Amino acid sequence: DTGVSQNPRHKITKRGQNVTFRCDPISEHNRLYWYRQTLGQGPEFLTYFQNEAQLEKSRLLSDRFSAERPKGSFSTLEIQRTEQGDSAMYLCASSLGTQAGMGQPQHFGDGTRLSIL
Amino acid sequence: AQKVTQAQTEISVVEKEDVTLDCVYETRDTTYYLFWYKQPPSGELVFLIRRNSFDEQNEISGRYSWNFQKSTSSFNFTITASQVVDSAVYFCALSESPSGAGSYQLTFGKGTKLSVIP
Repeated sequence: DTGVSQNPRHKITKRGQNVTFRCDPISEHNRLYWYRQTLGQGPEFLTYFQNEAQLEKSRLLSDRFSAERPKGSFSTLEIQRTEQGDSAMYLCASSLGTQAGMGQPQHFGDGTRLSIL
Repeated sequence: AQKVTQAQTEISVVEKEDVTLDCVYETRDTTYYLFWYKQPPSGELVFLIRRNSFDEQNEISGRYSWNFQKSTSSFNFTITASQVVDSAVYFCALSESPSGAGSYQLTFGKGTKLSVIP
């Protein structure tokens, strides 16, 4: 399978714990995005990488959220001191970076569903 | 600010009926792209189509067709002869021209849940 891979698929944790999710993009894609989707809503953009550079992070929900893409391949999203309101599906997407970048379709993984007890 | 509105929250149709999903967008840019994605019960978002702001030609792909009208800021999606496998949540999304090191992030509507009844 050469699609976007995310793990774990499900994460259940207690309030206050830290969690980390991993995303492996499609191999030839240099752009990587993180989104959050809550029940009944469309995905909401969080952050974006081009290769290893995080070019947009102002939409991260709070300073408890951080993301890395250390070698320009896989990425991790960490949430520190989780709260009840962090329960959601976290989606990763990747796309090709070209001059027509905005027109390149983003391909999504299956997501990681986070449940905070 | 960019915005995407999908006014239909849920639609139910009987198999073989045609159905149109509405999408209205707001943007201040002259260059932008519009997308439709399908999210079946399994959860993965599946890319269906993209349209750039300079191309108002309608597109047909099998049972799917898309009507883009800049004059009304709409990008509607029609499924002809619907099938049970079409049951899913459908999202319309907008990507705008970046400023500086723009991110091309997608702004999604809230989605329309389509149920096709056998």
